Parts: sequence; structure tokens; C-alpha cells
Amino acid sequence: SQTIHQWPATLVQPVGSPLSLECTVEGTSNPNLYWYRQAAGRGLQLLFYSVGIGQISSEVPQNLSASRPQDRQFILSSKKLLLSDSGFYLCAWSAREHTEAFFGQGTRLTVV
Amino acid sequence: AQRVTQPEKLLSVFKGAPVELKCNYSYSGSPELFWYVQYSRQRLQLLLRHISRESIKGFTADLNKGETSFHLKKPFAQEEDSAMYYCALKSRGNKLTFGTGTQLKVEL
Repeated sequence: SQTIHQWPATLVQPVGSPLSLECTVEGTSNPNLYWYRQAAGRGLQLLFYSVGIGQISSEVPQNLSASRPQDRQFILSSKKLLLSDSGFYLCAWSAREHTEAFFGQGTRLTVV
Repeated sequence: AQRVTQPEKLLSVFKGAPVELKCNYSYSGSPELFWYVQYSRQRLQLLLRHISRESIKGFTADLNKGETSFHLKKPFAQEEDSAMYYCALKSRGNKLTFGTGTQLKVEL
């Protein structure tokens, strides 16, 4: 069966520090991968999605970047965190068209 | 550009009353539409998809291309239906866009 792992679950980082959140999927090949930020009143904001290794689509201009170094690995990064980067980040995967997305447990990031 | 709109942030109904969570979308192609639900302290999960035309936990949703809507309905609300509901659209390019969500609260 397929599983998705996202870590860490919580993270407190100082302003200006780097960020690396990792997401891996097991039990499937060539998945679509997604990074979202979930905020009260703003729902799920799509940040990045990837349909293959090295293929990243960015949805909103921001202080973050994403990379897909391996087929089932998706990384969310920042060189220098801002206070406004605080939030709840969700990774998700899906198979090809007409199927559902499966979500990780999420990471609560607090920038102080 | 694709967009999903959920006009209600909070919907409060009494147990046994009908429920309708609204969702409208904009997309130039033929969309794939979904409803996702997040119960308290659980992961976001799929509730139903338009292509299956199924009823899950008493909920149904019909795609109305003329009105570009995909409203979620249930004839009789139950207490366990209280949760956050998200409407989502998947494009042919595999981009998956969510609405802002509606918090459903079922009161006794």
C-alpha cells in the first residue's frame, strides 16, 4: 500500500534561518506531488506541484522554493525565513488523472 | 486560470436539517471535481469525486457545468458530519486547486 511521510511535525525556527521540509512517498511510482499551506480563512493554498523529477511549478511568488531530487521525494526550502512564513504546511501525492490526493500529517512551522 | 470558490466560511445547522455546502469553479477545460473533508485531529481525506457519481456518508454532489457549480448536499445532517469541507478542482495538467473551505457545525 502507498504511504506518505512528512517531517518534522513541528518546527520552530528563527527569522533569517534556512528551512528544509521533506516529504516522501512509498508504494507508488511517478506520483504527482504537491506542497500546500493551510491557514484559517484562506483554506489550502497551493504553493508548488510537480509531475516528475526536476519539474516544479510554482503557484505564488514567495520566499520558498521546492525541489524534487528523486521520483518520490519532494522538498520545501527557504534560504532565509520570514515571520510571514509561519503556518501549517501540507504535502500530498496523487496518481495520474482522475484519482484522489493523499495528504501527509503536516508540519507546523513557527518563525520567531 | 482555475479557481474554486466556497462562499461560506462557516455553516451551522441543526441535527436532522438538510445541508448544502456551496462550491463554484472557473476553468476553461473539462474539470475533475472533488470534495475533501477534514475531521478534528485527522488528515485531510477524500469524501467524493464527481466522476464516480456516488453517495458517501449520505453526501452527494452534482456537477452543473452550466452554473459551474459542484455543491455538496446531505438531506439530514448528523453530529458526526461536523468538520471542515474543501472543494477541489484538478486540471488536465494535474494541478490540484482547493477552495478556502467551509466549516460545518451540526448542532443538537
